[in-house]
Amino acid sequence: GQNIDQPTEMTATEGAIVQINCTYQTSGFNGLFWYQQHAGEAPTFLSYNVLDGLEEKGRFSSFLSRSKGYSYLLLKELQMKDSASYLCAVCDSNYQLIWGAGTKLIIKP
Amino acid sequence: DTGVSQDPRHKITKRGQNVTFRCDPISEHNRLYWYRQTLGQGPEFLTYFQNEAQLEKSRLLSDRFSAERPKGSFSTLEIQRTEQGDSAMYLCASSSGGTSGYEQYFGPGTRLTVT
Repeated sequence: GQNIDQPTEMTATEGAIVQINCTYQTSGFNGLFWYQQHAGEAPTFLSYNVLDGLEEKGRFSSFLSRSKGYSYLLLKELQMKDSASYLCAVCDSNYQLIWGAGTKLIIKP
Repeated sequence: DTGVSQDPRHKITKRGQNVTFRCDPISEHNRLYWYRQTLGQGPEFLTYFQNEAQLEKSRLLSDRFSAERPKGSFSTLEIQRTEQGDSAMYLCASSSGGTSGYEQYFGPGTRLTVT
């Protein structure tokens, strides 16, 4: 079967760094996405990795290891507005997105 | 382009009634997706279209759910004989497909409450 695992909830302090992990087992792989979703709103795109390595985009970075079926999203210089759910999604062999349940990130002052 | 739009944003209906939701994707996107999301869960795939063709439908989707995209532009999702378990956020997303276009852009969603 297909499976995406990520922690249910994480807490971090404003100004700090947090790493949200995602492991996956899917039928085929055509890239991994990270989305941010604030409560009551739609998901918004953060990053896309299809090759191994680190992709950096401002305060957010995303890493992929295809051999390990593993990715992480790294958020630096945390701000209160970063409090949201972070969704990991894998594009499978049918070019469909398989979604994790999301990680709720709580930022404390 | 203003992005993906959905209508209505909220819908309250009584059990047993039919409801229809509309999605207008980004104009140049040929792929359109419908998802359902409940609290604390990721989006659950319902169905997707490439242009006007419905290419896949979730096996978990009952026959009460139907979707159309008649001209390859906007899409509608209809739920017949609604049940309380249908209460959820219904999300529409679109993408351009191709080698760099699998990123999906989401609309604001339609929140359905079945009483």
